[in-house]
Amino acid sequence: DAGITQSPRHKVTETGTPVTLRCHQTENHRYMYWYRQDPGHGLRLIHYSYGVKDTDKGEVSDGYSVSRSKTEDFLLTLESATSSQTSVYFCAISGRVMNTEAFFGQGTRLTVV
Amino acid sequence: EDQVTQSPEALRLQEGESSSLNCSYTVSGLRGLFWYRQDPGKGPEFLFTLYSAGEEKEKERLKATLTKKESFLHITAPKPEDSATYLCAVQENSNSGYALNFGKGTSLLVTP
Repeated sequence: DAGITQSPRHKVTETGTPVTLRCHQTENHRYMYWYRQDPGHGLRLIHYSYGVKDTDKGEVSDGYSVSRSKTEDFLLTLESATSSQTSVYFCAISGRVMNTEAFFGQGTRLTVV
Repeated sequence: EDQVTQSPEALRLQEGESSSLNCSYTVSGLRGLFWYRQDPGKGPEFLFTLYSAGEEKEKERLKATLTKKESFLHITAPKPEDSATYLCAVQENSNSGYALNFGKGTSLLVTP
């Protein structure tokens, strides 16, 4: 799994509560990404980071924020969870100049009730 | 409008029955096209990167090819363990820090 750990792996939370998902890498890759995967939509980019404290929005960033205080950790926060944010969340990393393929974590299944 | 379209959505093959999966894309500047395999409950697993038209990559029973508008993933004499969802993704020049734009995938089932 290319040294990527996501936590928690499963979470059930109530509407309106904040939730933070963590991605930890041991590969020292520069770029980190958060995607969500939903039936009928495929994988969609939420936010990405191109270095410590450097982040930017992806396609579906509304309702989410991210932080990266260390190279190895990338946090995704749902500020006030809604049922539409029920999904499987994947963290990915990439970083090599010549081969920019991304490697994915095992995912976090989040259910908002 | 989707930038990456995969077809078919689902494919059922008998063991040994070769076939191809299609990925068509519409991006202005292609940096790379990627194929991933995803098993249920797991994250996508990287298979191939293709960078230019005419390029081909092979791994066991899989062969990926690229033209200026589409990519094919050819599966030769598949086995049941090849059953998975195959995802295609494109990476554009100078966007989103090398982020990938994914298609919706092709779900492959290989029966004995």
